Amino acid sequence: EVQLLESGGGLVQPGGSLRLSCGISGFTFRRYAMSWVRQAPGQGLEWVAVISDSGEVTQYADSTKGRFTISRDNSKSTLYLQMNNLRVEDTATYYCAKLNWNFRDFFDYWGQGTLVTVSS
Amino acid sequence: DIQMTQSPSTLSASLGDRVTITCRASQSINNWLAWYQQKPGKAPKLLIFKASTLESGVPSRFSGSGSGTKFTLTISGLQPDDFATYYCQHYNNYPYTFGQGTKVEIK
Repeated sequence: EVQLLESGGGLVQPGGSLRLSCGISGFTFRRYAMSWVRQAPGQGLEWVAVISDSGEVTQYADSTKGRFTISRDNSKSTLYLQMNNLRVEDTATYYCAKLNWNFRDFFDYWGQGTLVTVSS
Repeated sequence: DIQMTQSPSTLSASLGDRVTITCRASQSINNWLAWYQQKPGKAPKLLIFKASTLESGVPSRFSGSGSGTKFTLTISGLQPDDFATYYCQHYNNYPYTFGQGTKVEIK
């Protein structure tokens, strides 16, 4: 059974940093691109970042470029999102999501999400 | 960036109704479109990909159609488990974008 489990969310002050993790089981992690998607309270879904299966290629939403870094450790089957210089508008539930096969593909599995609250 | 516009934002329907949600892209995305269902406090769940291909395990009352810039999700015979919010999403290129969502409510 495919499982994705996010962790690392919490309360942080504006300008602060946080690192999210997403542990994977049930599939061969190193073979698939992975992504982060977020959802502000009561709002819709926003794609945040994507990383290729090898970790060599990444893409970011303009709203996170230069502040967020997506990475992965294939030996640990873990996806990360390093978030720096956080803003109030980054408050959201952050989901990790598996891409179906290719780097440009739909999301076939999602984690349950971890809540990040940016507030003073 | 490609903008995705869903309509309606809210839809009130009764059990057994046939409902249709429309999603329009600001430019052609061929058929690189997915539909997701989300219930409160839960992660989105994939329903349809490549505009019309039903994900394994999804009931056949769900169907998708369209190509280019106009797409539809149809639920034929609304069931209690179907009351949720539905999102379209293109994966034609990065950045991916989602529609704003359509909440299907009980009439």
